Amino acid sequence: QVQLQESGPGLVKPSETLSLTCSVSGDSISSGDYYWTWIRQPPGQGLEWIGYIYNSGSIYYNPSLRSRVTLSLDMSRDQLSLRLTSVTAADTAVYYCAAVNVDTVVTAHSWYYEFWGRGTLVTVSS
Amino acid sequence: EILMTQSPATLSVSPGERATLSCRASQTVTSKLAWYQQKLGQAPRLLIYGASTRAPGVPARFSGSGSGTDFTLTISSLQSEDCAIYYCQQYNKWPPGTFGQGTKVEIK
Repeated sequence: QVQLQESGPGLVKPSETLSLTCSVSGDSISSGDYYWTWIRQPPGQGLEWIGYIYNSGSIYYNPSLRSRVTLSLDMSRDQLSLRLTSVTAADTAVYYCAAVNVDTVVTAHSWYYEFWGRGTLVTVSS
Repeated sequence: EILMTQSPATLSVSPGERATLSCRASQTVTSKLAWYQQKLGQAPRLLIYGASTRAPGVPARFSGSGSGTDFTLTISSLQSEDCAIYYCQQYNKWPPGTFGQGTKVEIK
């Protein structure tokens, strides 16, 4: 069973960069078993997908965030990272990392989120 | 973008009674629909995929049905531990698929 845990600052100032890390256990990022994704949920709002990254280097971002977001992997630490630049209050949200099973995508053409972290609240405020 | 609409926003059900949650897509998603459960302070948990297949370890009291645009998650006999927010997600068009706004299930 894959376990995910997000970490990072809970408070970021406007115009600065939000940086979060998601630690993976129960599997290795280098195994290639999962697409690693980030999803966020602003207070009182729905779930918004940020992007995914795969260990082959394949990355896909939400077009609405593409100019400000960078995803990366640290295979030696089994961690994935999210950087979001030039943040505003609209970026205040609970940020989740989640895993999509590669076999499910390839064999069943299905993209659902098999495992999630608990999420971490990031507030953008001066 | 496919919009997902869940109803009701909040559902109050007595223990042991049936809970029925609805999810409607703005266009057909065939059977490419998942349900998630999120308890307070916990990670979301995959309950159902393929509209009706329970994920490993999910109790049999949870069942999903529907295809096309209309889907239902049924909890046959509500337990106190089922209090949570439930989200549907279509993945007919992906990545990333789109989520509904959630239904909060509470004990009456």
